[in-house]
Amino acid sequence: SQQGEEDPQALSIQEGENATMNCSYKTSINNLQWYRQNSGRGLVHLILIRSNEREKHSGRLRVTLDTSKKSSSLLITASRAADTASYFCATERSEKLVFGKGTKLTVNP
Amino acid sequence: DAGVIQSPRHEVTEMGQEVTLRCKPISGHDYLFWYRQTMMRGLELLIYFNNNVPIDDSGMPEDRFSAKMPNASFSTLKIQPSEPRDSAVYFCASSLAGLAGPYEQYFGPGTRLTVT
Repeated sequence: SQQGEEDPQALSIQEGENATMNCSYKTSINNLQWYRQNSGRGLVHLILIRSNEREKHSGRLRVTLDTSKKSSSLLITASRAADTASYFCATERSEKLVFGKGTKLTVNP
Repeated sequence: DAGVIQSPRHEVTEMGQEVTLRCKPISGHDYLFWYRQTMMRGLELLIYFNNNVPIDDSGMPEDRFSAKMPNASFSTLKIQPSEPRDSAVYFCASSLAGLAGPYEQYFGPGTRLTVT
């Protein structure tokens, strides 16, 4: 069964705008990770946030985690056409990652 | 490092045939994971290994699926006999061991399997 569920399922924005994707999960976790998948490629790890962390930054990425609400958000600032991809959250528990079905982001030039 | 290597990249086979997918993890990684991705079910974990030992195969859909890791640099996922519903993209991923489980996973490019 899916642990993380991303919202929205699809998002279309203009280059330069910010993109926000949300992830909700059901059970307690050790950490939560975000991955990107370009069309026809494997997943690429973006950022990991541990259960005792509330916010983390990496370049143009900002991730928040609210364990009380069992939710996380991924913010991509100043988006570029190259950010067009599917984004997945994955919750880690007992060594296993459980992935959501992803948000398909389209950044229009 | 070349990253996780998977072969073949594409496989088209007829129902009933045996299919073998191959994976070479990143050197030095302790964990190896096999996933299946479909539009309907998303990304599903099939099985994972730690130090070449299968730890959890609860995601393997049926006895037709089997996976081995004979050494630290090679793993196979075998489907025998294959069925059209096995059509999917199969990913292999590897990761290092952290203090509390594996770190981030590195994915291969995937094998697109089509069973006719």
